[in-house]
This record gives sequence, structure tokens and C-alpha cells, in this order.
Amino acid sequence: SQTIHQWPATLVQPVGSPLSLECTVEGTSNPNLYWYRQAAGRGLQLLFYSVGIGQISSEVPQNLSASRPQDRQFILSSKKLLLSDSGFYLCARDGDSTTDTQYFGPGTRLTVL
Amino acid sequence: AQTVTQSQPEMSVQEAETVTLSCTYDTSESNYYLFWYKQPPSRQMILVIRQEAYKQQNATENRFSVNFQKAAKSFSLKISDSQLGDTAMYFCAFMRWSGNTPLVFGKGTRLSVIA
Repeated sequence: SQTIHQWPATLVQPVGSPLSLECTVEGTSNPNLYWYRQAAGRGLQLLFYSVGIGQISSEVPQNLSASRPQDRQFILSSKKLLLSDSGFYLCARDGDSTTDTQYFGPGTRLTVL
Repeated sequence: AQTVTQSQPEMSVQEAETVTLSCTYDTSESNYYLFWYKQPPSRQMILVIRQEAYKQQNATENRFSVNFQKAAKSFSLKISDSQLGDTAMYFCAFMRWSGNTPLVFGKGTRLSVIA
């Protein structure tokens, strides 16, 4: 199973407030996990990826951070949101039996006001 | 670094007709993967089709097929017998052969299927 859950589905937050987006996945253990962001009218930009618990790689320097406290849980956080953080956030994982295909969760729509 | 270019921001097609979406990419690697993803209004990213670069045969999934031209670094998607449910954003994406690596996406093509 490549089922991916993301919570919450939508979020409206004021500038300067903290953020926590959660992604949990089903299927085989130790999946590779990814956070992408899609800004309005643009493609997807990789933010973070993780190959295991506590292992995080950052692709874009910014005020966001990620953590992987459990094998199938991936969290995106911020201490203080910026207007530019608005967008659609997608969590992804590779397949159960292969690392050469990625499957996406339903996403979280974040609006920072 | 790899780049993916989709030169058609928007396209439309009549229901039951055929449409082709273009994608070109740039890489110095000889082996890699290419993908087409579909993003309907729900915004769920759905895998449409996948191609391994070492395979000469073009991938096919029901009404969806690709024209993979490795030398030209071109990877177009053909949708046959277009249906209203095909209306969506379509993204072309590249992944390095080693797997375990992130996808590099194009900016997408918005396809509208007209009844």
C-alpha cells in the first residue's frame, strides 16, 4: 500500500505564527519520504527528504524545518510563518518495492495572512 | 543539475479526440526515469505513466502513451479518446537512476477537455 495521510487538509495562519504539518504513511518500513511545496501557478519544489528516522536533507534554505520522529511519520514545521510560505504542501513516499517511483498524499493547503 | 521544461502552459482538446503534451529535459546522465503526473482540481498528484531511459519501447497505460526520444531529450504524453475526467494539470518529472532521489518537475500544462 502506498497510502499517505496528511493533516490538516487546509490551514489559515497569521504571519509570525508557528506551523506543524503532519504526514503519515502506510506500507513497508523505512520508506523514503519527501516534502514538496507548490506555489500558486507553479510546479513542485522539493523542500526536504528523509531516508530514515532522524535523517533529514534540506534542499532549499528557508524558515521551514522537517523532522522524522517515527519510521512512517514526517513533520514539516516553522517557528514563525512568512507570507511567502503560503502554498500547497505535498508529502510523498517511494513505492513499497521500489525507490524509483514516488506517490503523493492529498496535500495541505496553507494560507498565511 | 537536471531541468524539465514544459513549453505549453495551457491546452484544450475536444472530448474523444487525441492530444499530445510536450516535455523536454536536460541531463548529463545516461540512465534515469521519466514520469507524467496528473493533478485534477482536487490537487491530488496521480501517477499517469513511467518510463525507464534504458528502455527503447515507449510506455503505455490504457489511453495514455509516451513518445520518448532519448537523443532529443524529449518525453511527450499522448492522451487518446480524451475524456472530461482528463481535465487537469499535467506535470512531467525526472528522477536520477539511483532512485532514492527527489523528483524534478516541470511547471505543468493545464489541459481542458471540452464536451
